[in-house]
Amino acid sequence: RKEVEQDPGPFNVPEGATVAFNCTYSNSASQSFFWYRQDCRKEPKLLMSVYSSGNEDGRFTAQLNRASQYISLLIRDSKLSDSATYLCVVNMPGAGSYQLTFGKGTKLSVIP
Amino acid sequence: NAGVTQTPKFQVLKTGQSMTLQCAQDMNHEYMSWYRQDPGMGLRLIHYSVGAGITDQGEVPNGYNVSRSTTEDFPLRLLSAAPSQTSVYFCASSYGQGASNEKLFFGSGTQLSVL
Repeated sequence: RKEVEQDPGPFNVPEGATVAFNCTYSNSASQSFFWYRQDCRKEPKLLMSVYSSGNEDGRFTAQLNRASQYISLLIRDSKLSDSATYLCVVNMPGAGSYQLTFGKGTKLSVIP
Repeated sequence: NAGVTQTPKFQVLKTGQSMTLQCAQDMNHEYMSWYRQDPGMGLRLIHYSVGAGITDQGEVPNGYNVSRSTTEDFPLRLLSAAPSQTSVYFCASSYGQGASNEKLFFGSGTQLSVL
């Protein structure tokens, strides 16, 4: 089983739509979870951390489900500028000092 | 505040050549790392460092060397370039452990082609 799995997409959604991505992780001891955004040919940038109680930042909501070992990202009222690849990142404790593991990313295209 | 500065942006090498990718950060981060990103593979950790004088291997370390003589700098050396090392390389840094400190700041990347 892969450590961090994401649906690669692409998700093609119209402007104004709501879209959700899920990411599953294999290590039940993982403690830190993040969503990064990566634009084409650019470096990844942190979008938001994911907390146990769930958290919201404007149109973006992140949630953690420890029982089922997945995190989710919900984007409301999609904008053209949201088009990017969204990377799920999970801390994998016990790997010899901490190491963050990246999912392969989910590509989102917001269509006019 | 420059953040993470990575050079060069583009590089073409011939098989067997060596080179060094430079990475410097001005945020006093303890943790620095190098990733490579290949199509369909996502970001994979090459080497990382938790402080000056301390380095460790990541998922794909073969063919690469690193050193961390100062907090600011973390160069990645390709000893004898191979076509399999054609990739986009990212340097990243963070304050360290703990969810609030693990936010990674990335350099702008190096597109490396080995012919």
